[in-house]
Amino acid sequence: DTAVSQTPKYLVTQMGNDKSIKCEQNLGHDTMYWYKQDSKKFLKIMFSYNNKELIINETVPNRFSPKSPDKAHLNLHINSLELGDSAVYFCASSRKFPGELFFGSGTQLSVL
Amino acid sequence: AQSVTQLGSHVSVSEGALVLLRCNYSSSVPPYLFWYVQYPNQGLQLLLKYTSAATLVKGINGFEAEFKKSETSFHLTKPSAHMSDAAEYFCAVTDTSNTGKLIFGQGTTLQVKP
Repeated sequence: DTAVSQTPKYLVTQMGNDKSIKCEQNLGHDTMYWYKQDSKKFLKIMFSYNNKELIINETVPNRFSPKSPDKAHLNLHINSLELGDSAVYFCASSRKFPGELFFGSGTQLSVL
Repeated sequence: AQSVTQLGSHVSVSEGALVLLRCNYSSSVPPYLFWYVQYPNQGLQLLLKYTSAATLVKGINGFEAEFKKSETSFHLTKPSAHMSDAAEYFCAVTDTSNTGKLIFGQGTTLQVKP
């Protein structure tokens, strides 16, 4: 059983489209995150939810909207995709603090 | 604000040689520190963590790291490199916001030559 699973693994789309990435964790953690890894492998946090409540919202364009229907799921919806959105997006979960993060295997988004 | 600096974006060692990956942090409060490994096309996996217990931390796959407050360092070592250790390594520090947020270094690519 995969602890943190995200789908799809690869996402190729055209500029201007809207797409979603789904994430689910079966670890019973209260906190979930979205991280973005750019082409230089730099990891930056985008959002964090604790028990369905948004607790971190970094400087991310409002075209990105996370949604947490329950504490085991955190989805990421992206509107009007741009070339610069191409990256690998990682979902992660943790106990609130100072727990380690458990990562999904990533979604490689390519915007053409 | 917390930050992490990994010295050397690329480290190359021979199989069987010592691995040393450097990490320095800045933090206004005692930090929690982590090392993660990322194999190609995979997510990040925890190698080890420092959470203010023993300063020498042992992790998986023979890796260990020593927390040195006076040097604000948390360098990762392994006595003898294996080919399977070739990967990207990230050092990370917890943010002070008490949200569990991690701040990552820029990563170090470890190459292991036969």
